[in-house]
Amino acid sequence: EVQLVESGGGLVQPGGSLRLSCAASGFTFSNYWMHWVRQAPGKGLVWVSRINSDGSSTSYADSVKGRFTISRDNAKNTVYLQMNSLRAEDTAVYYCARDYVDTALHYYGMDVWGQGTTVTVSS
Amino acid sequence: SYELTQPPSVSVSPGQTARITCSGDALPKQYAYWYQQKPGQAPVLVIYKDSERPSGIPERFSGSSSGTTVTLTISGVQAEDEADYYCQSADSSGTYLVFGGGTKLYFL
Repeated sequence: EVQLVESGGGLVQPGGSLRLSCAASGFTFSNYWMHWVRQAPGKGLVWVSRINSDGSSTSYADSVKGRFTISRDNAKNTVYLQMNSLRAEDTAVYYCARDYVDTALHYYGMDVWGQGTTVTVSS
Repeated sequence: SYELTQPPSVSVSPGQTARITCSGDALPKQYAYWYQQKPGQAPVLVIYKDSERPSGIPERFSGSSSGTTVTLTISGVQAEDEADYYCQSADSSGTYLVFGGGTKLYFL
């Protein structure tokens, strides 16, 4: 079964750090780009970050640039999101999602999503 | 920063056709994708590359593109289609992805 399982969420104080993990199974992880997407309570989806299939290229939304770092370990079939200097506005459910990108750099869409992990930033 | 604009809500009668639009300056250059999200669930991809339908998605879901606007069409809307729908695309460079604000589809 194709699956993504996030973990690492929790309650953290403003200014603190947290590392999210997303474990993949049931498909060839190293063939896919991976994204992190978040959703604040009662709000819409917000793209956070993406990493290419071999980890050599990353990009970030302006709201997290310089504070969050995405990485992956293809040997462990896992993608990570290191979140530093957390703010109240980072409170959200964080989803990881896979995306196939062809050699022309055309995205095929986030076709598999995890169930999400909740991050709450509060004192 | 780049933005995609969707109407906050669209209402439809069961069995009718629902159309949800999404506007963005880079849409002539970048593909659009559509996701369905029901309460408490992760999003589901329903359309990719403007008009392609993933396997397992009913044929009543279709997508189209014209200039700076893309449209998700749901023909013969069924009860289970009541959900939030999000368009997604990228800026003109393809580096930064963005979601629209979402459209709540509900029945009259």
